[in-house]
Amino acid sequence: EEQLLESGGGLVQPGGSLRLSCAASGFTFSNCVMNWVRQAPGKGLEWVSTISTGGGSTYYADSVKGRFTISRDNSKNTVYLQVNSLRADDTAVYYCAKGRHDSSGWYWNFDYWGQGTLVTVSS
Amino acid sequence: EIVLTQSPATLSFSPGERATLSCRASQSVSNKLAWYQQKPAQAPRLLIYDASNRATGIPARFSGSGSGTDFTLTISSLEPEDFAVYYCQQRSNWPPTFGPGTKVDIK
Repeated sequence: EEQLLESGGGLVQPGGSLRLSCAASGFTFSNCVMNWVRQAPGKGLEWVSTISTGGGSTYYADSVKGRFTISRDNSKNTVYLQVNSLRADDTAVYYCAKGRHDSSGWYWNFDYWGQGTLVTVSS
Repeated sequence: EIVLTQSPATLSFSPGERATLSCRASQSVSNKLAWYQQKPAQAPRLLIYDASNRATGIPARFSGSGSGTDFTLTISSLEPEDFAVYYCQQRSNWPPTFGPGTKVDIK
């Protein structure tokens, strides 16, 4: 059974940093594109970032580009999101999500999700 | 960036009723539209991808249709566990975007 477990969230002051982690199990992690999607309190879903299977390609939403960095360690089945220069509007639950793929390739859909880790930016 | 619109924001049904939810795109997304279900304090779950394909383990009462700019998610007979928020998401153009969601609640 596919499982994703996020950690690393917490309360941080504006301008601060955190490193979010997502540990994967139950599937061949190194074959899968991984993503971060966030949800502000009471709001909808926002795609944040994507990393390719080997880590050589990364993608970011304009709202986080230059402040957030996605990375992965396939030996540890873990994907990370380094979040820097945090602002109040970054307050959200951050979900790790596996990218949907089949024999033809991978797609910008999210077929398995972790339970999320809450990041609160406040002084 | 493609904007997805879901209206109304809330729909009310009784268990056993048929529910039809709408998603409209600001430009054509072909069939590259997915639907997700989110229950309170839970992560989203992929229901439908590429407009009409059910994801693994999704019951047959969920179906999707549409192409271009107009899409529909249909729940043929609402079960108690189906009362939730439903989001559409397009993958036709980067960046992937989500609609604002439709809440299906109990009448």
